[in-house]
Amino acid sequence: EDQVTQSPEALRLQEGESSSLNCSYTVSGLRGLFWYRQDPGKGPEFLFTLYSAGEEKEKERLKATLTKKESFLHITAPKPEDSATYLCAVPSGSQGNLIFGKGTKLSVKP
Amino acid sequence: AAGVIQSPRHLIKEKRETATLKCYPIPRHDTVYWYQQGPGQDPQFLISFYEKMQSDKGSIPDRFSAQQFSDYHSELNMSSLELGDSALYFCASSFDEANEQFFGPGTRLTVL
Repeated sequence: EDQVTQSPEALRLQEGESSSLNCSYTVSGLRGLFWYRQDPGKGPEFLFTLYSAGEEKEKERLKATLTKKESFLHITAPKPEDSATYLCAVPSGSQGNLIFGKGTKLSVKP
Repeated sequence: AAGVIQSPRHLIKEKRETATLKCYPIPRHDTVYWYQQGPGQDPQFLISFYEKMQSDKGSIPDRFSAQQFSDYHSELNMSSLELGDSALYFCASSFDEANEQFFGPGTRLTVL
């Protein structure tokens, strides 16, 4: 059974304090790993797709990396506006419906 | 850029009533997914459509049904509503199943 586990559940950072979020996965044939950002009461916002081990993608203060067993979302010098829940997901089923992790709730204090 | 549109954004219903949620995918996207997200939970897959045909079903109750129309918009019909159906309902669309899914703003359903 495909499974995604994220850690930590919650992370509090001071503005400018860099850190990493973890997403470990178990899938039968990886067809990509997606990172989303979700603000309260809003739809998940697409951030990155990673397809193969060793791949890295960057967007502003965020960098996502992928190994054969896990993915990391590195946040460099975060700002308060980076506060959100970050979700990791993998496609499953014949049409690629997403299996999500429970998410990491990030709070960045000024 | 065009995004996924969902309506209504908020819906309040009584127990045992019926609700219909609508989703308009990004133009040229051929796959639509429905997800349910309870308070403090991650999104759970309900059902998907590819080229107007139902493709996958997840944890969707028998009381729920969905379809995709010729213009690719989709509707989720929910009958005999229960208190536990209160949640955020998201629609997502993609250009074939291998690509990224883009989510709509969601419909917040409250069942009283």
